[in-house]
Amino acid sequence: QKEVEQNSGPLSVPEGAIASLNCTYSDRGSQSFFWYRQYSGKSPELIMFIYSNGDKEDGRFTAQLNKASQYVSLLIRDSQPSDSATYLCAVTGAAGNKLTFGGGTRVLVKP
Amino acid sequence: KAGVTQTPRYLIKTRGQQVTLSCSPISGHRSVSWYQQTPGQGLQFLFEYFSETQRNKGNFPGRFSGRQFSNSRSEMNVSTLELGDSALYLCASSLVTGSSSPLHFGNGTRLTVT
Repeated sequence: QKEVEQNSGPLSVPEGAIASLNCTYSDRGSQSFFWYRQYSGKSPELIMFIYSNGDKEDGRFTAQLNKASQYVSLLIRDSQPSDSATYLCAVTGAAGNKLTFGGGTRVLVKP
Repeated sequence: KAGVTQTPRYLIKTRGQQVTLSCSPISGHRSVSWYQQTPGQGLQFLFEYFSETQRNKGNFPGRFSGRQFSNSRSEMNVSTLELGDSALYLCASSLVTGSSSPLHFGNGTRLTVT
């Protein structure tokens, strides 16, 4: 079983709709959770981080964390074609700064 | 504020050679981590340095090594290159070590081993 799992996609959403991305993790001691966006040929770019159960909103992005279910999600509201990218979920365990990444979900926003 | 700077951007080496990659973190950031990204394995953690000390190490062979200098700049070395070492090598910096400090990635060095 992979430590951090994501559906590889592609997740196809129409422009203006909500894109919902999911991520599950296996280490119950995980402490911090991050979402990165990676355009093709580019490096990952930090979008959001969340440490506590519940929702955290930043502009069109909302991260949701449920530690009991070992589940973290990312919602992208009013999706734009420029949101088309691979979204990487990353988790740190109790040991420190080592980030474990999921395989990424490819999102395609169609005009 | 300048971001994380990695040099060189591209490298082509032959099997058996060694290579050194360089990373300059964001000003004020003291932690530097290295990751390998391949299409098959995704992003995998190599190691993390903080205050010139290796704090964490991933599951890579001893051919992969690194170091950090007093100005927080870091280098990564791969010896006896193998074809499977072809990948995008990403450096990331953060203010401090620890699980709550977000990482910021550089543009990466794309290594091709022939």
